[in-house]
Amino acid sequence: DQQVKQNSPSLSVQEGRISILNCDYTNSMFDYFLWYKKYPAEGPTFLISISSIKDKNEDGRFTVFLNKSAKHLSLHIVPSQPGDSAVYFCAASGAGTASKLTFGTGTRLQVTL
Amino acid sequence: EAGVVQSPRYKIIEKKQPVAFWCNPISGHNTLYWYLQNLGQGPELLIRYENEEAVDDSQLPKDRFSAERLKGVDSTLKIQPAELGDSAVYLCASSNSGAHTGELFFGEGSRLTVL
Repeated sequence: DQQVKQNSPSLSVQEGRISILNCDYTNSMFDYFLWYKKYPAEGPTFLISISSIKDKNEDGRFTVFLNKSAKHLSLHIVPSQPGDSAVYFCAASGAGTASKLTFGTGTRLQVTL
Repeated sequence: EAGVVQSPRYKIIEKKQPVAFWCNPISGHNTLYWYLQNLGQGPELLIRYENEEAVDDSQLPKDRFSAERLKGVDSTLKIQPAELGDSAVYLCASSNSGAHTGELFFGEGSRLTVL
């Protein structure tokens, strides 16, 4: 049972444009959501997070939006840069299980020149 | 500050052989995790330690996998005997257990190939 889903395995965006990566979840107990970025042959690195009490969190070029009623979150990257090309994982944790992250399957983003 | 260190980075073994992976977490991080990442999938938790205590090992296949975290610092994950389906990347991560946010710091992973 995949509790965190990233339905787009890949995405290609031109440099300077907006990249939108989507994530859906099924477990209503999740209350904290994170995005991780992974380059080849490296471990995932934390990018940005959002608590369920918010609907938006922004950090520079990265913004995460949370729609609790739809159980959906998205990561916006504006403007996209070639260095953003990586696999992006959505992850979630639940109340009382803050240390246990459930990951999605990832979306490979390619930013083209 | 040094990150999470894992070794070996790559390991190729024949099926039925044993293998061990080592992890040194970020200094001061009480919580240590071992994750399994299959090709095209997200990381899946195998075991979580709070100091030297395994507090969540429900996803660890205990018939062939074992882990330990002596003295609450370094950790070792062992597979014996390895099977073809164990080919994957084994990721170690650590976090500050005082942080509620769940942000984990990952090592580069140990890629296992079982022939």
